[in-house]
Amino acid sequence: DTEVTQTPKHLVMGMTNKKSLKCEQHMGHRAMYWYKQKAKKPPELMFVYSYEKLSINESVPSRFSPECPNSSLLNLHLHALQPEDSALYLCASSQGRATVYEQYFGPGTRLTVT
Amino acid sequence: QKEVEQNSGPLSVPEGAIASLNCTYSDRGSQSFFWYRQYSGKSPELIMFIYSNGDKEDGRFTAQLNKASQYVSLLIRDSQPSDSATYLCAVNISGGATNKLIFGTGTLLAVQP
Repeated sequence: DTEVTQTPKHLVMGMTNKKSLKCEQHMGHRAMYWYKQKAKKPPELMFVYSYEKLSINESVPSRFSPECPNSSLLNLHLHALQPEDSALYLCASSQGRATVYEQYFGPGTRLTVT
Repeated sequence: QKEVEQNSGPLSVPEGAIASLNCTYSDRGSQSFFWYRQYSGKSPELIMFIYSNGDKEDGRFTAQLNKASQYVSLLIRDSQPSDSATYLCAVNISGGATNKLIFGTGTLLAVQP
């Protein structure tokens, strides 16, 4: 089973709202990722958690705040977003942080900022 | 210079033909290479990975890797209309322990019935 789940599927929020995206995996994976994907572009890495610790932040603006409460869960807290932040937000997980491990993506959350 | 390059396409092939998708990468230290399929509006789905030079086959899919030429390809035999999607090549960058993928811009494949 290589399932990663994400909620919600769709989210519309205003620029003053606070919302959270959630991601869950039960594969025993120890690395989890957040990506952002704009239309007709490849996924762009935002954050990497390894063993529940933040190991990579790709210079993401502070209005995006990741959290990894345990090894199965990953959250992305959103605050004061801009319309250009509208995108598909993808969560992924892999067995470990070593470069040989393949990443499996969840279905994504389609975010629209109005 | 882009780290991972793909022809954006569209690559149009007739049903039943072999589709050949190509990818070049710039980091000679890269060790792991992945192919993802992404249908419009959906998330990327892992279909193949390869680590060693040569060919790796899985059903109708064959991944080919040539590290000397910094080239990885994906062949799809007996192409079906359901194979129509964007194919993303992803490469691990070297120099660190964390699994960081760099994606190409993807090749749009259109299989004509």
